[in-house]
Amino acid sequence: NAGVTQTPKFQVLKTGQSMTLQCAQDMNHNSMYWYRQDPGMGLRLIYYSASEGTTDKGEVPNGYNVSRLNKREFSLRLESAAPSQTSVYFCASSIAGSRDTQYFGPGTRLTVL
Amino acid sequence: RKEVEQDPGPFNVPEGATVAFNCTYSNSASQSFFWYRQDCRKEPKLLMSVYSSGNEDGRFTAQLNRASQYISLLIRDSKLSDSATYLCVVNLYAGGTSYGKLTFGQGTILTVHP
Repeated sequence: NAGVTQTPKFQVLKTGQSMTLQCAQDMNHNSMYWYRQDPGMGLRLIYYSASEGTTDKGEVPNGYNVSRLNKREFSLRLESAAPSQTSVYFCASSIAGSRDTQYFGPGTRLTVL
Repeated sequence: RKEVEQDPGPFNVPEGATVAFNCTYSNSASQSFFWYRQDCRKEPKLLMSVYSSGNEDGRFTAQLNRASQYISLLIRDSKLSDSATYLCVVNLYAGGTSYGKLTFGQGTILTVHP
């Protein structure tokens, strides 16, 4: 039981490049989330998926897109990376909604030059 | 005013000390409250939920004061392994759907030294 896994662990991009961050959970959770964490800002929600087949914007969705591929997988795409997107990205999942405990993946450290 | 505010610290305490963290939240309709722990360069992990009546888990005690809109975490008999960042987390339940807004504080850094 791996919990929540994320790939890659580290990534360096040039401004304007695109990439997809992958997230998978094996806990049969319905809800999944993408956060970014910046120094002094706390974790901020980018997008979430309350259940398979649905996605909604969070607090800071601009510059990102998501896909809930199936119940297990939730990907985050940067179409045209900008230096302001340099951050640590965490994926999380919960049984059914944000009132439940959220389990986080190990994070992806992204640097955009 | 930030939705969830914490004293960022750092708190530096000796082993065996008792330390308390406070957190205030701005939205009185907030429904659920949590403390998460985050080790350096790691993911956040749930430490404990916070209930209206207060709750204890070993050396950790969490309390909620809805009238004053603050949450506290008390750590007794601090261990070196307690060194981490403690995140105050508040959920504004949307009602009708299971999802509400989960808001994280910036975190309070704790260092326990020998």
